[in-house]
Amino acid sequence: DTEVTQTPKHLVMGMTNKKSLKCEQHMGHRAMYWYKQKAKKPPELMFVYSYEKLSINESVPSRFSPECPNSSLLNLHLHALQPEDSALYLCASSDDQGSYEQYFGPGTRLTVT
Amino acid sequence: DQQVKQNSPSLSVQEGRISILNCDYTNSMFDYFLWYKKYPAEGPTFLISISSIKDKNEDGRFTVFLNKSAKHLSLHIVPSQPGDSAVYFCAASDTTSGTYKYIFGTGTRLKVLA
Repeated sequence: DTEVTQTPKHLVMGMTNKKSLKCEQHMGHRAMYWYKQKAKKPPELMFVYSYEKLSINESVPSRFSPECPNSSLLNLHLHALQPEDSALYLCASSDDQGSYEQYFGPGTRLTVT
Repeated sequence: DQQVKQNSPSLSVQEGRISILNCDYTNSMFDYFLWYKKYPAEGPTFLISISSIKDKNEDGRFTVFLNKSAKHLSLHIVPSQPGDSAVYFCAASDTTSGTYKYIFGTGTRLKVLA
């Protein structure tokens, strides 16, 4: 099973809303990632969790708040977003023991109005 | 500073012929490389990877070649099929850094013509 699941698939939120994106994997991977992707651009790394601890924050604004409740789950809490934050948000996971393939979820299409 | 580059933004190939997608990198510490295929509004799909201890890895119609001295890798798809039409990204990682960070190239849009 190489599946990473993300919910919701689509999300529309106003600039004053609070919402959360969810990601789940059951591959036993110890690293999990959030990426943001705009149209015709490569995925842009936001956060990396390694063994449930935040290991990389790519200078992401505090209106994005990641959370890793356990080794299978990764959340991204959203608050007071701007229209320019509208993008495809991708979750990914990877192993760190001999195989470094990174697997992506289908993404959440976020629109901020 | 773009550490991973895909200099061809687009490529058109006739069905049945070979598609060659190229990727260059600048960081000599990168030791693991991946290729992804991406359709619009979907997450990237992992295709194939290669470690720097190898110079070739093959999986069905997909072969990745790595030239460490030139800091260059390429993805060969043969024979190309219309369903291969998508954006292809290469990604690189320094697995010794412990950061689990992957750097993506800018992508190449492949169009396979029937």
